[in-house]
Amino acid sequence: GEDVEQSLFLSVREGDSSVINCTYTDSSSTYLYWYKQEPGAGLQLLTYIFSNMDMKQDQRLTVLLNKKDKHLSLRIADTQTGDSAIYFCAEKNDYKLSFGAGTTVTVRA
Amino acid sequence: GAGVSQSPSNKVTEKGKDVELRCDPISGHTALYWYRQSLGQGLEFLIYFQGNSAPDKSGLPSDRFSAERTGGSVSTLTIQRTQQEDSAVYLCASSLLTGTTSTDTQYFGPGTRLTVL
Repeated sequence: GEDVEQSLFLSVREGDSSVINCTYTDSSSTYLYWYKQEPGAGLQLLTYIFSNMDMKQDQRLTVLLNKKDKHLSLRIADTQTGDSAIYFCAEKNDYKLSFGAGTTVTVRA
Repeated sequence: GAGVSQSPSNKVTEKGKDVELRCDPISGHTALYWYRQSLGQGLEFLIYFQGNSAPDKSGLPSDRFSAERTGGSVSTLTIQRTQQEDSAVYLCASSLLTGTTSTDTQYFGPGTRLTVL
């Protein structure tokens, strides 16, 4: 979606942390999401954050939201080979999701 | 089935032909969505069905695209007179309720990859 931007590629060593960044433009967005897409598969919801929160942690995943700058990030701790995938951030207005172009994460040994 | 299913998984067609893509949502889900994932455009919203309400068709790219949802369950996306720019992965999703709350998660199917020659 043109209103959500992400960097396209990220390469990370196994065991390190990955940080995927996203910016969005619609200040009225209420919820922001991170989805994961593995080859040949649909989108899997990883986590979401409400727009009045700053941070949310869920096991190895940490989401940070800077509402002033409209910046969202996803940190994956102790990145594993199974984390190799495309990660999409998305904002929701009403029922519609607007997605970024996706960040391809490659985990190297 | 436990998840959203779509058929066919792959479809190759010739330019100018009509195609139908099918989506079976999760049983009991009232809302159904179609998205398109293409190289140049990323993931785009196409259409939204919610119960018996009139669908939101605002994302359909042209009048060659149409969709219906019969009996509040299965949905069919039809593309008439296909063009090469219609080549994409068409994703279907469903959610339990209206989809407007955070916990009303959209669950996605594996998609149909459409190739127009």
